[in-house]
Amino acid sequence: DIQMTQSPSSLSASVGDRVTITCRASQGIRDDLGWYQQKPGKAPKRLIYAASSLQSGVPSRFSGSGSGTEFTLTISSLQPEDFATYFCLQHNSYPWTFGQGTKVEVK
Amino acid sequence: QVQLQQWGAGLLKPSETLSLTCAVYGGSFSGYYWNWIRQPPGKGLEWIGELRHIGSTYYNPSLTGRVTISVDTSQNQFSLRLSSVTAADTAVYYCVRSTYGYDLDSWGQGTLVTVSS
Repeated sequence: DIQMTQSPSSLSASVGDRVTITCRASQGIRDDLGWYQQKPGKAPKRLIYAASSLQSGVPSRFSGSGSGTEFTLTISSLQPEDFATYFCLQHNSYPWTFGQGTKVEVK
Repeated sequence: QVQLQQWGAGLLKPSETLSLTCAVYGGSFSGYYWNWIRQPPGKGLEWIGELRHIGSTYYNPSLTGRVTISVDTSQNQFSLRLSSVTAADTAVYYCVRSTYGYDLDSWGQGTLVTVSS
């Protein structure tokens, strides 16, 4: 199985901050990676697909980058509605695997 | 806009079989792939398996032997069965759509399944 190591597991930030979350794959996965946002009691919502493509309807303050084994999700200016948990998912090979999640909390 | 609506029993005893169904509304059923994902309370996400529109399936090896994903194309529905459940199978289960070459784009609302004696 491909292991997805996501960091940090949590972070505290303020509205307006730039936030960066990283996922590292245990082997190369090209750009077969997505980023998801999950709020308590809700299903995850896709933000980024193919490592860097913005899902329709998602604000442009979200961006993704990377290829191979290193990937980054950036929120350029954190908004109140962005406090949530974020996951990465690799779909390069079965079984698909998720990162452990990053909880973004209010500082 | 596709919508996935899921249902099934929420409380099971150990050794019973989990059974969930997901109906797809407002979009094509063929041409997409259909997945089940689960999330234990307070924990991360686990991919359970995928059903392709042509009928082939891929399962997480951690669940092989216990899991079956099936389809009823006449109803635009697909189902999950997980046998011999234990407390470790307690989780919110999601049905999710994916597209060839891409990941999970549309999610059901989730169903909490609790396994307890």
